[in-house]
Amino acid sequence: DVKVTQSSRYLVKRTGEKVFLECVQDMDHENMFWYRQDPGLGLRLIYFSYDVKMKEKGDIPEGYSVSREKKERFSLILESASTNQTSMYLCASNLLTSGSLDTQYFGPGTRLTVL
Amino acid sequence: DAKTTQPTSMDCAEGRAANLPCNHSTISGNEYVYWYRQIHSQGPQYIIHGLKNNETNEMASLIITEDRKSSTLILPHATLRDTAVYYCIVRARFMNRDDKIIFGKGTRLHILP
Repeated sequence: DVKVTQSSRYLVKRTGEKVFLECVQDMDHENMFWYRQDPGLGLRLIYFSYDVKMKEKGDIPEGYSVSREKKERFSLILESASTNQTSMYLCASNLLTSGSLDTQYFGPGTRLTVL
Repeated sequence: DAKTTQPTSMDCAEGRAANLPCNHSTISGNEYVYWYRQIHSQGPQYIIHGLKNNETNEMASLIITEDRKSSTLILPHATLRDTAVYYCIVRARFMNRDDKIIFGKGTRLHILP
């Protein structure tokens, strides 16, 4: 079974703090994604990465950065957390095989509260 | 914007078949229909996908209309554990690296005891 794990299920931080959300997958997937999910807005893509050290902006990258130093790990960074970044953060990964994009597998999510 | 339209919520009695509709009138020839669900406080879970033929797996069946402008996800014998938000997503199987997968707002399915 594909395993996508996230470093924390719940996190509480203060405004202005630097926040790291870690995601690890154990299936050697090329692609990794970070989404946030808010009531009434569905899932929105923040950033994704299709290879080590590569990253692409999603729909709402402002206020976030990412790091992909190793294939299995994709980190989301909030440089200076703000209250409007309180949300559920979901990591996902999938395989890129011969140009096709396989099913995405999601982690359990991190519920971040910024006070 | 999501390329799909789904009802906001639906109810279904336990043990009955749950039929969740999805409209995707602008679907193009190389795009697949994918279904995910998200149970409260968990990450989304893949259910099924299809191109134009009907598909069935251990979780559900997917019926796609002949013109491919709409589809229906069928949970044949719904249980309380099927209460979740169900997302219908349209995307190409062969995507460029900067293509995005867009989740809409989904359908909140309530299974009633």
